[in-house]
Formats: sequence, C-alpha cells, structure tokens
Amino acid sequence: ETGVTQTPRHLVMGMTNKKSLKCEQHLGHNAMYWYKQSAKKPLELMFVYNFKEQTENNSVPSRFSPECPNSSHLFLHLHTLQPEDSALYLCASSPFPGQGAGANVLTFGAGSRLTVL
Amino acid sequence: AQSVTQLDSQVPVFEEAPVELRCNYSSSVSVYLFWYVQYPNQGLQLLLKYLSGSTLVKSINGFEAEFNKSQTSFHLRKPSVHISDTAEYFCAVSEAGTGNQFYFGTGTSLTVIP
Repeated sequence: ETGVTQTPRHLVMGMTNKKSLKCEQHLGHNAMYWYKQSAKKPLELMFVYNFKEQTENNSVPSRFSPECPNSSHLFLHLHTLQPEDSALYLCASSPFPGQGAGANVLTFGAGSRLTVL
Repeated sequence: AQSVTQLDSQVPVFEEAPVELRCNYSSSVSVYLFWYVQYPNQGLQLLLKYLSGSTLVKSINGFEAEFNKSQTSFHLRKPSVHISDTAEYFCAVSEAGTGNQFYFGTGTSLTVIP
C-alpha cells in the first residue's frame, strides 16, 4: 500500500463518545499533519509532528488529542466533541521539513468525515 | 503570516472552453506556490507546484500556472476543460525557510458543463 491512508473514512459520534482517527503513511516522510476542512473556510492546520515530536499546536481545543508513536503513524483522539467539530479531517505528510524546496510538498490522505450529533 | 485569496468561489464553464482560476497571496518574501485539486469524497492531490526556476509550471493533465512576483499571483489556467476536471481547486503558499507552514485559500469549485 502506498501514500497516506486514513481510517475510518466516515465516523458518526455523540457528544459524550470517545473515538480515534488513524493515519498511516508509506512514503518514508518525517513530518505529519492534521488539518480540519470545513465548508467555505481555508484548511485549518491543527497539529504538526516532525520526527514524532509535536512542533505545532494551532490553539486546538483539548478535546482533540494527537498521538504520533512513530514517523509513519498519527492518531487524533476525540472526546466530548461539539456539533461544530463536524468536518473533514485530513492527514498529510511531507519529507524532512526545512530541508530546502523539496521538503515543502504535502501529500494528503482521503480524509475522515466526522459528524458529531 | 501569509494570506491566500481565491476570489472566485464557484466557476462554471462549458466543456472545451478555457478557464482561469485566480490566486493571490499577501507577502512578497520568497515563497513556494502550489495548486491542489480535491475530487468529491477524496483528499487533496497536488496538481502542480512552483519552487524555483521557470515561472510557468505545468501539470500532466493540461493545467498550467504562472508565478507573477510583482502581482503576487499564481493563477491556474487550462485552454480546454473536460468534464473530469470538475472538482475543488485550492491554492497554497509556503514561505521559503519556514518548513511546515502552509497557507491555503478557501478553494474554487470548478464545474464543467457538458
């Protein structure tokens, strides 16, 4: 399997549930990202991990909890979400960050469509 | 921080007609520029990129974009569109040397009419 794989593709959860989104990349990249995509808004960067270390937390509420056990896997743990958190959550990866022009290319997964009831 | 403006939220165009999707960014510092395409129920796919060198870049499916530094623009063009080009198109900017900082526009929905 190649590229960036996200599971599940669709998730419906209540406000009191706990669930997780999973992302896996088979590209040998060292940076991984979570983005939130809502209708008619720019993509919102949520978290960035470089070599498993979190380097960016873009003022994301604590009900979203990321985990990066290694450079190939990224999780987004969800708990006590709100209806306004319903969106498409995109995972992306890129080569070693900050290493010149070649590093600045994101590869995205297909996304996890989250609906919070 | 950069801001990326895609003025046209929706662009309908007839099949085989030309199209231009506009993108302007805010900063004049050294930048890398990207166009991504998103088909229904899919993630974003890289369509083309400008990193350095020739200001005109092309994709394998007939799209091209030109980096215009003086106008801080990176408009996307195709001389003849196909039904299969119907999708959402996102312009993105990254400042050279910032590593992981990417700024995206709000997207342009291209609908090709038979």
